[in-house]
Amino acid sequence: DGGITQSPKYLFRKEGQNVTLSCEQNLNHDAMYWYRQDPGQGLRLIYYSQIVNDFQKGDIAEGYSVSREKKESFPLTVTSAQKNPTAFYLCASSVLVRELPYNEQFFGPGTRLTVL
Amino acid sequence: GQQLNQSPQSMFIQEGEDVSMNCTSSSIFNTWLWYKQDPGEGPVLLIALYKAGELTSNGRLTAQFGITRKDSFLNISASIPSDVGIYFCAGQGTNDYKLSFGAGTTVTVRA
Repeated sequence: DGGITQSPKYLFRKEGQNVTLSCEQNLNHDAMYWYRQDPGQGLRLIYYSQIVNDFQKGDIAEGYSVSREKKESFPLTVTSAQKNPTAFYLCASSVLVRELPYNEQFFGPGTRLTVL
Repeated sequence: GQQLNQSPQSMFIQEGEDVSMNCTSSSIFNTWLWYKQDPGEGPVLLIALYKAGELTSNGRLTAQFGITRKDSFLNISASIPSDVGIYFCAGQGTNDYKLSFGAGTTVTVRA
């Protein structure tokens, strides 16, 4: 089955620790994204990547880091510098289209991070 | 990205009723997307719209791309219990392939 997987489903972290969230896709999509979701709010973009070994900051990148060493994988590290990391984290991917005007993003099942 | 204005924030509906929700933006969008999210899961794409005035259906769902390109509407006809969830709109601007999201409409169905 083609799709996006995220692991773990639930993650607990002590204050001061870095944690890494996994995101893998087998859709052969070029672009990948990380979003943060808080209750009652829309999704906010953390980082995105259009191509291997390249990524750009989104709207709330402070306290997060990413890498894109493989097309299929886009891990997110939540560092100790992120002051309020408890949230639901969603990974998405899409075909990167340069001429066509649309961008349908497909989401993984999410990782709920709780800081203890 | 900018935040879209999505309304209503929540709604309680009777099974069998029709439901409407909408999103507005201060900017022109090239694409409007509607997603549904079940509790603890990722959003699932329901409908994608690409042209101003476009009306697209997916089963009991119908969505429209506003003629001004600054709004979109989603209608659910004859609601059933599995329609429960959070519905998000998302829009893509003219010079940016990133998406902006609404805050969501939470739908609860009374049996």
